[in-house]
Amino acid sequence: NAGVTQTPKFQVLKTGQSMTLQCAQDMNHNSMYWYRQDPGMGLRLIYYSASEGTTDKGEVPNGYNVSRLNKREFSLRLESAAPSQTSVYFCASSSGTWGFTDTQYFGPGTRLTVL
Amino acid sequence: AQSVTQPDIHITVSEGASLELRCNYSYGATPYLFWYVQSPGQGLQLLLKYFSGDTLVQGIKGFEAEFKRSQSSFNLRKPSVHWSDAAEYFCAVGRAGGGADGLTFGKGTHLIIQP
Repeated sequence: NAGVTQTPKFQVLKTGQSMTLQCAQDMNHNSMYWYRQDPGMGLRLIYYSASEGTTDKGEVPNGYNVSRLNKREFSLRLESAAPSQTSVYFCASSSGTWGFTDTQYFGPGTRLTVL
Repeated sequence: AQSVTQPDIHITVSEGASLELRCNYSYGATPYLFWYVQSPGQGLQLLLKYFSGDTLVQGIKGFEAEFKRSQSSFNLRKPSVHWSDAAEYFCAVGRAGGGADGLTFGKGTHLIIQP
């Protein structure tokens, strides 16, 4: 049981390049999340998906798009990377869905640097 | 909107001494509360959570936390710290019954253990 997996672990981009961060969970969870972590800022929610086929904006969605490909996978895309998007990105999943909050389980993170 | 404050950015504790990490939240109704720990270069691991019931909750690795509604606090404690407890600790709040729209995290407390 791998839990939440993320690829890649590290990535360096040049300004303006695009890339997709991949996330998958094998816990049959309904909800999935993307957070970014910046020094001194804690974790901030970028986007979330409460169920397959739905996505919603979080606190800091600008510059990002997401796709809930199926129940297992939730990807985060940077269309035109900017230095301000240098961060550590965490994917999480939860059995919770609308009207029910539950524990979130986190992946190991992707460390992204935009030059 | 909900918010979480962790007043201490850094705390230094001697090995074997007791520990208390502070967390205050702002939320209009009964919150769901979490403590996560992050070791260097790792993802977040759940230490404990409070949803309802007994206000003193036990977690993994010998940690406990007490929910005090009157003080809007959820402080984390450990009677005797070990060098392996050195890490970043995050308090988080979720909406009770509100479902899948992510957690709000504090900015974290960095715990340093002195030999």
